[in-house]
Amino acid sequence: EVQVVQSGAEVKMPGTTVKISCKTSGYIFTDQYIQWVRQAPGKGLAWMGLVDPEDGEAMYAENFRGKVTITADKSTQTAYMELRRLRSDDTAVYYCALSHSSKYYAFDSWGQGTLVTVSS
Amino acid sequence: EIVLAQSPGTLSLSPGERATLSCRASQTIVNNYLAWYQQKPGQAPRLLIYGASTRAAGIPDRFSGSASGTDFTLTITRLEPEDFAVYYCLFYGISQGIFGQGTKLEIK
Repeated sequence: EVQVVQSGAEVKMPGTTVKISCKTSGYIFTDQYIQWVRQAPGKGLAWMGLVDPEDGEAMYAENFRGKVTITADKSTQTAYMELRRLRSDDTAVYYCALSHSSKYYAFDSWGQGTLVTVSS
Repeated sequence: EIVLAQSPGTLSLSPGERATLSCRASQTIVNNYLAWYQQKPGQAPRLLIYGASTRAAGIPDRFSGSASGTDFTLTITRLEPEDFAVYYCLFYGISQGIFGQGTKLEIK
């Protein structure tokens, strides 16, 4: 059974950095991309970027380029999303999700989400 | 840049009725890369449809997806109480993921 478990909620000061983990199991880690999605309170879903665990290559949405870094650790089957220079409007739930070519890369298995609150 | 416009913003229906949700792309996209999601409060999105019309595992057959040109439709026949939620479409292209703004399906 595929499992995707994210790290717990974070409270951060403006200007700092947060790093969220996404631990996966139940499948071959290098077979699926890991996508990251943001959802601000009461708002819709926004794609942030992805990592290909096979070679570590990451791609980012234009809105997040330069602010986010997504990585993957094959040894622990865990992906990470680091968000820098936090502002109050970065307060959101962050999700990771798996995507595979067999489903045209639709985001299939999702983590439970990680709430990041940015407040002074 | 591709934009996905979902309509209506809110749809008020009663259990047992049929729901038709629309997702219109601003330009031609490859049908296979269009998916639909259901999201309930406090929960992660749940994949319903991928490839524009293929139901994901475990999704009841009252959910169906279709495509015509740049128009994509999610149809829910015979609404159940648990179907009232927010629905999103997603296009996944080369190195980009684009979500529609969502349709809230509420109980009338």
